[in-house]
Amino acid sequence: ETGVTQSPTHLIKTRGQQVTLRCSSQSGHNTVSWYQQALGQGPQFIFQYYREEENGRGNFPPRFSGLQFPNYSSELNVNALELDDSALYLCASSFGGASTGELFFGEGSRLTVL
Amino acid sequence: GENVEQHPSTLSVQEGDSAVIKCTYSDSASNYFPWYKQELGKGPQLIIDIRSNVGEKKDQRIAVTLNKTAKHFSLHITETQPEDSAVYFCAASLGGTGNQFYFGTGTSLTVIP
Repeated sequence: ETGVTQSPTHLIKTRGQQVTLRCSSQSGHNTVSWYQQALGQGPQFIFQYYREEENGRGNFPPRFSGLQFPNYSSELNVNALELDDSALYLCASSFGGASTGELFFGEGSRLTVL
Repeated sequence: GENVEQHPSTLSVQEGDSAVIKCTYSDSASNYFPWYKQELGKGPQLIIDIRSNVGEKKDQRIAVTLNKTAKHFSLHITETQPEDSAVYFCAASLGGTGNQFYFGTGTSLTVIP
């Protein structure tokens, strides 16, 4: 069974640039959720994709967007990067789109915006 | 929306002692309460969860209690070991589909050998 993998693990961008983060979900899972974790804080929900459709969104502006592909892998895109976007971005996979049951997290992509 | 508060932010215990972490939530409609452990450089991993129709759940050295009336839930770790050292997060969810998990701000637990 393959776990959740994220890429890249670390990246540095400058303010105003755009970034794409990638996530491969665990085998058998059809739901991917993205979370932002600022230093010393708990994860904050960005959005969830279930069977290629956005299935819930947290309090993040439209410059945060995503995609889910037919193999259930996913991308998180952030446009017009701001300094406050510096954080660990976590992808979590699960099954069925429900908000109960275990989330399987990847190790995250650490984004630094200068 | 839901607001989850977690205390303490840091906790140090001697090996073999017990550790207790407490969380409160604001939305009485929340019905699922997981606890995650995050080790350095890794993503969070589920260690135990409880649903609103249950008051207590135990798994070996770990237990969670839920008081729906007071809207608080707690994690209890007994006979702590150095490998229990990590950051622990509580979370709450409304359940259903597409609803988010609201996480607490985390507790950094250090078990001193």
